[in-house]
Amino acid sequence: DAGITQSPRHKVTETGTPVTLRCHQTENHRYMYWYRQDPGHGLRLIHYSYGVKDTDKGEVSDGYSVSRSKTEDFLLTLESATSSQTSVYFCATGTGYGYTFGSGTRLTVV
Amino acid sequence: ELKVEQNPLFLSMQEGKNYTIYCNYSTTSDRLYWYRQDPGKSLESLFVLLSNGAVKQEGRLMASLDTKARLSTLHITAAVHDLSATYFCAVDIGETSGSRLTFGEGTQLTVNP
Repeated sequence: DAGITQSPRHKVTETGTPVTLRCHQTENHRYMYWYRQDPGHGLRLIHYSYGVKDTDKGEVSDGYSVSRSKTEDFLLTLESATSSQTSVYFCATGTGYGYTFGSGTRLTVV
Repeated sequence: ELKVEQNPLFLSMQEGKNYTIYCNYSTTSDRLYWYRQDPGKSLESLFVLLSNGAVKQEGRLMASLDTKARLSTLHITAAVHDLSATYFCAVDIGETSGSRLTFGEGTQLTVNP
């Protein structure tokens, strides 16, 4: 979606290294979300933010941290990547009236 | 903990046929969403259902919501090959600290000539 940009689009990293994924939005939405998508699980919420410096955990938050220092940017960090974190990561914005998803980041941990 | 279950998970159907995908959820909510995802792509919003009895239609797809039964359906009429994709339902359990979606596993639809 034109209003959400995720970077990088693809990344291969080694086990034990830190990785940061970036989500940038241009719509000035208050709420932002990070999901991961794995076969057989649909999308699962990792962390979300309801304002600058206001974040909370989702259902699969272990091993991940987030930061939001500006309305437009929401960062997801894997402090020490593991093979179980190989996945496709989607950022989203929105409210109860609708949500928009970014194009995704395909992360492979080897 | 909210659980969202879709069935079937895999659906192979012939062009021209009708079928229904079901989405059941385990806790009270009156906001449900349907998304389409093509392989390697992002999620495309299809329907936003915001009240009990809501029904929305777009082309060959129609979605409905029964909040008392905690059930939403996505009905496909006279399927065509272009509808082949994975379809997700998602439930919004908006709480004090903000809304967020819980997804079903997805239904992988293949429409055969």
